[in-house]
Amino acid sequence: QVQLQESGPGLVKPSETLSLICTVSGGSISNHYWSWIRQPPGKGLEWIGHIYNTGDANYNPSLKSRVTISLDTSRDQFSLHLTSVTAADTAVYYCARRTSYYRTNGGYYWFDPWGQGTLVSVSS
Amino acid sequence: DIQMTQSPSSLSASLGDRITITCRASQSISDYLNWYQQRPGKAPKVLIYGAFSLQSGVPSRFSGSGSGTDFTLTISSLQPEDFATYYCQQSYKTPWTFGQGTKVEI
Repeated sequence: QVQLQESGPGLVKPSETLSLICTVSGGSISNHYWSWIRQPPGKGLEWIGHIYNTGDANYNPSLKSRVTISLDTSRDQFSLHLTSVTAADTAVYYCARRTSYYRTNGGYYWFDPWGQGTLVSVSS
Repeated sequence: DIQMTQSPSSLSASLGDRITITCRASQSISDYLNWYQQRPGKAPKVLIYGAFSLQSGVPSRFSGSGSGTDFTLTISSLQPEDFATYYCQQSYKTPWTFGQGTKVEI
């Protein structure tokens, strides 16, 4: 059973870079899309972006200028880097796998499993 | 981006009640719609994918329907563990987007 675990600093200073790692266990990191999703305290969910095991990445345009997602297949890890953070970036950050199912009319995708989430606060 | 709007934002219900949550997309998304349940302090968990397919292990009291722009999640008989926040999410095109959530309270 695949499990995901986020790790990284819980506190980042304004204008600095937020960096998180997601470690995948119980399954291969290959042949899947791996996502980062965040949730500000008391608010809804925002997809940040995803990466495939080829290294191809796709980002939410709202964050694209500040986000990089990368992959380390040798360690079964993928990471998130978010630059120039402000208080608005305070959130619980989740990593998740995109799961697929194919019907005759196309591919269906959803997030499963998820990591437990890690709270990152941006404050001086 | 495709905007997802849920209604209501919150609702009060009792054990055994049948409830329905609605999700509307800002453009047609066919049946590329997922539903998640999130309990306090936990990660979301998928309940329904492709508008109506029940995820393995999810109780049959959960059901989904809809196509195009309008979708519903129904819980046929509320159980104690169902008091949570529910989110819809479109997988029609990136950026994947979520509804703002519906909190189901006693």
